[in-house]
Amino acid sequence: NAGVMQNPRHLVRRRGQEARLRCSPMKGHSHVYWYRQLPEEGLKFMVYLQKENIIDESGMPKERFSAEFPKEGPSILRIQQVVRGDSAAYFCASSPGTGVYGYTFGSGTRLTVV
Amino acid sequence: LAKTTQPISMDSYEGQEVNITCSHNNIATNDYITWYQQFPSQGPRFIIQGYKTKVTNEVASLFIPADRKSSTLSLPRVSLSDTAVYYCLVGDVGAAGNKLTFGGGTRVLVKP
Repeated sequence: NAGVMQNPRHLVRRRGQEARLRCSPMKGHSHVYWYRQLPEEGLKFMVYLQKENIIDESGMPKERFSAEFPKEGPSILRIQQVVRGDSAAYFCASSPGTGVYGYTFGSGTRLTVV
Repeated sequence: LAKTTQPISMDSYEGQEVNITCSHNNIATNDYITWYQQFPSQGPRFIIQGYKTKVTNEVASLFIPADRKSSTLSLPRVSLSDTAVYYCLVGDVGAAGNKLTFGGGTRVLVKP
């Protein structure tokens, strides 16, 4: 039973390029969350999705950032025209939507903007 | 979600017990207390969760006093591999759709 799979583990982009981060939730999990972690800080919530729906995007920057969780395939966090301040670790978590111990995190994607 | 306060860092030695206390004065009636562990370059890992009194699993114990305004994570006989950041979270994290609010965590360094 594979855990939450994120790829790539490391991503380097030049300023102005696009970054695409992928997250495959655990089998049986239909809820996906994205978090961002800056160096030496805690994780900050970005967005919560269910299949084909964005439920809560209150933590997403208003511009350049978007997320989707299509009917088939992984969830995608997309960052357009990246800037140096986007350099961070991006973590995905999934949950089955019920139960006390729902949350499982992936190993993250470390984005470096040069 | 209730705000939490925990020490920034703690040092310990192998074989000792480590106790990390978290303050959450504004905890709500429906809130649970959850602790996560994070190693460098990895995502947080669930350790333990509780509502009141004491909870114990194979990894740790969680002590919650009657007023629930604080909680203490206890790691028995730590080893070098327990060096990590430990986060205390308070909220109804078991319900679907709840986002987690992480504070700065406690950086635990276990020395040989």
